[in-house]
Amino acid sequence: GQQLNQSPQSMFIQEGEDVSMNCTSSSIFNTWLWYKQEPGEGPVLLIALYKAGELTSNGRLTAQFGITRKDSFLNISASIPSDVGIYFCAGWDPGADGLTFGKGTHLIIQP
Amino acid sequence: DVKVTQSSRYLVKRTGEKVFLECVQDMDHENMFWYRQDPGLGLRLIYFSYDVKMKEKGDIPEGYSVSREKKERFSLILESASTNQTSMYLCASRATGGTTEAFFGQGTRLTVV
Repeated sequence: GQQLNQSPQSMFIQEGEDVSMNCTSSSIFNTWLWYKQEPGEGPVLLIALYKAGELTSNGRLTAQFGITRKDSFLNISASIPSDVGIYFCAGWDPGADGLTFGKGTHLIIQP
Repeated sequence: DVKVTQSSRYLVKRTGEKVFLECVQDMDHENMFWYRQDPGLGLRLIYFSYDVKMKEKGDIPEGYSVSREKKERFSLILESASTNQTSMYLCASRATGGTTEAFFGQGTRLTVV
């Protein structure tokens, strides 16, 4: 199956810092989704993006659907300890069998 | 809220056992998926189903089968469990349509000894 290139793989940051991560693909997607997974739990949907250029916020989280439809970005402002987890991007191509996932960005916050 | 429920959070099974992982969703979604998640490999699609009694192989179906007798329930079966099937298993569901989200269950951590 397809794979998305998600970067960075991991981030070690100080509490209060802003965070940026992104996903790129060689394929065009109609939908981009961002999930967060905490240890031992399933991924939880954070933000869904449906249109190229769309910018959507959910509290301190902001995500954008790239204009080329081949990339997406997630920003977290003023990080707090509960932001720790693995963040996954996922793209939806109607011609594919399901969502294509990035391998995740592991966010670690140092107090 | 959409709820996807997996029957077990943790399972320990012996090599060679037949293992059933159950998943139930309460939002009348047509599409259901089984993934496994391993460190460094991300989420990999095992099987999916677009409708009752319908199933399609994903990227890594070997050693697995599935059953979808009712719309709300999608079962993953390990016919003869092996140690390389030790993993986190995630079920997801999605409504039909091009721009809809997938919702995940809480995951089942399976250990085969």
